[in-house]
Amino acid sequence: NAGVMQNPRHLVRRRGQEARLRCSPMKGHSHVYWYRQLPEEGLKFMVYLQKENIIDESGMPKERFSAEFPKEGPSILRIQQVVRGDSAAYFCASSPGIGVQETQYFGPGTRLLVL
Amino acid sequence: GEDVEQSLFLSVREGDSSVINCTYTDSSSTYLYWYKQEPGAGLQLLTYIFSNMDMKQDQRLTVLLNKKDKHLSLRIADTQTGDSAIYFCAERSGSARQLTFGSGTQLTVLP
Repeated sequence: NAGVMQNPRHLVRRRGQEARLRCSPMKGHSHVYWYRQLPEEGLKFMVYLQKENIIDESGMPKERFSAEFPKEGPSILRIQQVVRGDSAAYFCASSPGIGVQETQYFGPGTRLLVL
Repeated sequence: GEDVEQSLFLSVREGDSSVINCTYTDSSSTYLYWYKQEPGAGLQLLTYIFSNMDMKQDQRLTVLLNKKDKHLSLRIADTQTGDSAIYFCAERSGSARQLTFGSGTQLTVLP
């Protein structure tokens, strides 16, 4: 059973470009979470999605950031018009969405560098 | 809002026990987790504990929870150089799905 997959693992963008980060959850998992880790810091929650629905986006900046989890295909975190402050590691986690204990399994992350 | 705090650094000698501490503020925390992050890698779930438990043991790992003081600790017995990593404490409140993380403790194991 493959784990959570993220690609690309590393992404370099110039200021003003768009960054598109992909996450494929573990097989059988229907819940996806995105977290951001700034240098020397812990992970901060951004958004929680189920298939075709955004459930909680309270941690996501209101502008330039969007997320989706379509019926088919991976979840996408999209950052438009990137700025240097967007440089960070972006982690995706998934969970099965059943039961009381919702352990989240993390992917290897996408490290975004904005020049 | 919720807050989770950890000390930033811990150094131990190979073969000794390591104890990594974490405090949290949310009294409605229901699940508490320990994750390990090696350089350039993602987070690996080590163990978790329900808030109605006060101890959980899993091979070399022992988690202690003091719910009254909102204090969580992770003890690693017979620490090895491969245990060198950043250890994150995280909590989840009963009504929320997302995790709140501490800033991580960098564990360095000296030979």
